[in-house]
Amino acid sequence: NAGVTQTPKFQVLKTGQSMTLQCAQDMNHEYMSWYRQDPGMGLRLIHYSVGAGITDQGEVPNGYNVSRSTTEDFPLRLLSAAPSQTSVYFCASTPTTGAKTQYFGPGTRLLVL
Amino acid sequence: AQSVTQPDIHITVSEGASLELRCNYSYGATPYLFWYVQSPGQGLQLLLKYFSGDTLVQGIKGFEAEFKRSQSSFNLRKPSVHWSDAAEYFCAVGAGGYNKLIFGAGTRLAVHP
Repeated sequence: NAGVTQTPKFQVLKTGQSMTLQCAQDMNHEYMSWYRQDPGMGLRLIHYSVGAGITDQGEVPNGYNVSRSTTEDFPLRLLSAAPSQTSVYFCASTPTTGAKTQYFGPGTRLLVL
Repeated sequence: AQSVTQPDIHITVSEGASLELRCNYSYGATPYLFWYVQSPGQGLQLLLKYFSGDTLVQGIKGFEAEFKRSQSSFNLRKPSVHWSDAAEYFCAVGAGGYNKLIFGAGTRLAVHP
């Protein structure tokens, strides 16, 4: 299993541009989540999904959209990037049975100029 | 509101010394508690977790943590630190589910030879 994969690893955007951060998992996990990590603030939950077709907002959802059309994929969209969205973004997935633990991807580092 | 406090932003210890990283949480119900470690430029790796039962939890890499409900704490310990333990450590609580984590701001550990 590849686990949780994220692309790209690094991206530079200009203010106002849009982009999609990709996240995929091959573990058949129902739950998937997006976090952002900023210095001195730990990780904060942006959006999460409890299954295909079901998403909900986390702690800091503004400026981000998500969709979950398949169990495997959970893309995060920035419609109009702002410098405040400069951060490291982590995707995570969690099984609903067995060890109830989040598995994190390697992260995407985003710089918005 | 749920929250996690890691009082120590930065800790330096000598190799071979013991280590304790503090974590205090605020959560109304019985919490799911986690410790993650992040090496520079890497994703998050789960060290250990507490859901219920024995309040002393053993994890990977020789780490352990003790859940103390009366103190709302979940401190991480290691009897003898290795240089490879230098990293950032995050405590987290599952808020309304183990797929929705609230993280502390993290403690950066430096290890002197």
